[in-house]
Amino acid sequence: SQTIHQWPATLVQPVGSPLSLECTVEGTSNPNLYWYRQAAGRGLQLLFYSVGIGQISSEVPQNLSASRPQDRQFILSSKKLLLSDSGFYLCAWRGQILSGNTIYFGEGSWLTVV
Amino acid sequence: AQSVTQLGSHVSVSEGALVLLRCNYSSSVPPYLFWYVQYPNQGLQLLLKYTTGATLVKGINGFEAEFKKSETSFHLTKPSAHMSDAAEYFCAVTPRGNTPLVFGKGTRLSVIA
Repeated sequence: SQTIHQWPATLVQPVGSPLSLECTVEGTSNPNLYWYRQAAGRGLQLLFYSVGIGQISSEVPQNLSASRPQDRQFILSSKKLLLSDSGFYLCAWRGQILSGNTIYFGEGSWLTVV
Repeated sequence: AQSVTQLGSHVSVSEGALVLLRCNYSSSVPPYLFWYVQYPNQGLQLLLKYTTGATLVKGINGFEAEFKKSETSFHLTKPSAHMSDAAEYFCAVTPRGNTPLVFGKGTRLSVIA
């Protein structure tokens, strides 16, 4: 069966520091991968998605970036964090279209920028 | 472009009462529709989905939703609320294809004993 792992689960970072959140999927190949951010009262905001290695689509311009160095690995990064980057970050994956476009989520990472 | 509107950011029901969470969508093509549930400090878990076929979809934990094309709605219901149903619920839509899901802003369900 497929599983998704996301880490770290919680982190507190000072303003201006770098960020790296990592996500890996097991049990599937060539998944679509996503990074969402959830801020209080604002639902889920799609940040990046990837349909293959090295292919990244950015939905929202900001100081975050994403990379997909391997088929089942998706990394969210920042060179210098802002206070507004605080939130709950969720990695997700989706299999082939025949699976009904269902997206499956990781457990999330709480980021607090201080 | 697709969009989702969830009416009511917070819904409160008594234990044993009917749960009704509303979702309306906008899509230029026949959509896939989803409901997800999120418990505190956790990721999102799929409750149910509509892709094709029967418009009444049954999901986990006794929830169901009905796709009504004429009303562009996909409301989530459960006949009898349980305390463990207290969570945040998200409706999502995607056109058939390879595009990401678009989520509503969520509805927080509280269940009162």
